[in-house]
Amino acid sequence: SQTIHQWPATLVQPVGSPLSLECTVEGTSNPNLYWYRQAAGRGLQLLFYSVGIGQISSEVPQNLSASRPQDRQFILSSKKLLLSDSGFYLCAWSVLAGGEQYFGPGTRLTVT
Amino acid sequence: GNSVTQMEGPVTLSEEAFLTINCTYTATGYPSLFWYVQYPGEGLQLLLKATKADDKGSNKGFEATYRKETTSFHLEKGSVQVSDSAVYFCALANTNAGKSTFGDGTTLTVKP
Repeated sequence: SQTIHQWPATLVQPVGSPLSLECTVEGTSNPNLYWYRQAAGRGLQLLFYSVGIGQISSEVPQNLSASRPQDRQFILSSKKLLLSDSGFYLCAWSVLAGGEQYFGPGTRLTVT
Repeated sequence: GNSVTQMEGPVTLSEEAFLTINCTYTATGYPSLFWYVQYPGEGLQLLLKATKADDKGSNKGFEATYRKETTSFHLEKGSVQVSDSAVYFCALANTNAGKSTFGDGTTLTVKP
């Protein structure tokens, strides 16, 4: 069966520090991969999605970037965090581009 | 472009009450429709889906019918339980599109 992992589960970082969040999927090949951010009490904001290795589409032009170095690995990065980057970050995958998505457990990021 | 509009929350019900959460959408073509549920501190889980007009998705006592004539996909449950307390997201995805469109979420609290 397929599983999705995210780490770390929680993170507290100072403003201006770098960020690296990792997501890996097991049990499937060539998944579509997604990064979302959820601010407290708010809906989902799609940040990036990828339909294949090296193919990244950006939805939000901010100080975040994403990379897909391997088929089932998706990394979210920032060189310098802002206070507004605080939130709950969710990684997800799907088999089909128009199909249901399967979400990871999330990373709670607090920027202080 | 695609959009999803959900009933604003929060919604508070007593145990065994009837639940309806309204969802309407705007989309080109014939999208698939989904309801996801998010329990506190967790990622989203697929609750149910429907892929074509008049399809009914159902799971765990929840139901939703894909109504193309009214562009709606309302979520219903006949008798809610305290354990149904969560945030519910309506979403759509077009076949071959790279991403899904999510509503803002509706928070449901069920009191004993």
